[in-house]
Amino acid sequence: GQQVMQIPQYQHVQEGEDFTTYCNSSTTLSNIQWYKQRPGGHPVFLIQLVKSGEVKKQKRLTFQFGEAKKNSSLHITATQTTDVGTYFCAGPGGGADGLTFGKGTHLIIQP
Amino acid sequence: GAVVSQHPSWVICKSGTSVKIECRSLDFQATTMFWYRQFPKQSLMLMATSNEGSKATYEQGVEKDKFLINHASLTLSTLTVTSAHPEDSSFYICSAGEGANYGYTFGSGTRLTVV
Repeated sequence: GQQVMQIPQYQHVQEGEDFTTYCNSSTTLSNIQWYKQRPGGHPVFLIQLVKSGEVKKQKRLTFQFGEAKKNSSLHITATQTTDVGTYFCAGPGGGADGLTFGKGTHLIIQP
Repeated sequence: GAVVSQHPSWVICKSGTSVKIECRSLDFQATTMFWYRQFPKQSLMLMATSNEGSKATYEQGVEKDKFLINHASLTLSTLTVTSAHPEDSSFYICSAGEGANYGYTFGSGTRLTVV
């Protein structure tokens, strides 16, 4: 079945530093979604990318979808303590429209 | 935006008993809902797709007789963990959406502890 790999598993940064997480799929994706899960919380939808080479920005967050639609990245500029959490990428797979999640990247910020 | 309500938030039960978890879409109708399981510091694993008015679709390796899913209305899906055992202890989360292009809204999750 489809697999979605995500690295790194953990990322420690100093507050104010940038952060990037990468996602790679074994197959071409029709779309990719990104979610954020705060410690003890539930995943919250951030964005969906659909087009090849697409780049979308949300304030300090930049999302990219690769030309081959097999990889994606999330970049956070100048991290803040509120950015702490686990960031998951997810692609279509399983069930009707169920999602296959990457393992997630745990972002830890040191003040 | 879309709101998905999940109850209970946490439950502790004795081994051998059954536990029911409810997932409701509050401001939209959901013909399809999804149930995930998440172990500590791990990813979400899709367990099954809940289909309103028909049988659920289970992912490979998920026991359908163990995890009973009922989706009797357009706003409610339930997951019953039958004859629970300590290894069933986990975080169970449901999700629904207004369309695959709009992302999915997750419930707040249910932390199940079987003792």
